[in-house]
Amino acid sequence: QKEVEQDPGPLSVPEGAIVSLNCTYSNSAFQYFMWYRQYSRKGPELLMYTYSSGNKEDGRFTAQVDKSSKYISLFIRDSQPSDSATYLCATPRAGNMLTFGGGTRLMVKP
Amino acid sequence: SQTIHQWPATLVQPVGSPLSLECTVEGTSNPNLYWYRQAAGRGLQLLFYSVGIGQISSEVPQNLSASRPQDRQFILSSKKLLLSDSGFYLCAWKFHHTGNSGNTIYFGEGSWLTVV
Repeated sequence: QKEVEQDPGPLSVPEGAIVSLNCTYSNSAFQYFMWYRQYSRKGPELLMYTYSSGNKEDGRFTAQVDKSSKYISLFIRDSQPSDSATYLCATPRAGNMLTFGGGTRLMVKP
Repeated sequence: SQTIHQWPATLVQPVGSPLSLECTVEGTSNPNLYWYRQAAGRGLQLLFYSVGIGQISSEVPQNLSASRPQDRQFILSSKKLLLSDSGFYLCAWKFHHTGNSGNTIYFGEGSWLTVV
């Protein structure tokens, strides 16, 4: 079983929709989670990070962690075509490294 | 603020030729440095990481190697490229010390390698 898993998509939504992107993780010891956004042919950029359970909001983006079900989510409100990208979730593991999900490709259509 | 530079951005190399990708980080000292590969439509695969000058750990055995000749310089090399080495190579860094935001890894813009 992979440590972090994501549905690869693609997920296609109309502009203005609320988007829900999800990851599951296997190790209950994970406490710190990150979301990266990767545009085509570019390096991933950090979008948000959260610690432990609960929600964290930043503009149109909300990151949510449910430790009881080992489930992390990224919600995008009022999605825009510029949000079209691949979204990767990640969590630290031993040895100063991150373990990444495979990424979900999002397409927001005007 | 910290910045990461990676080059070349794109290269096409014949099978059997050597490879050298270079990465430098500015604005911080003693960073942890990483090389990842991302094959088309696939996730990030960690290739090498380094916690200090001359200290390299390999995650995946292959015909690639890495070196860290200076504190903020990380080089990915190969003596003879294979077709399977094609992909998107990403250099990344993080603060040496852990802590909430210190766990974040920051990526360069990437290098597209096509082996023909």
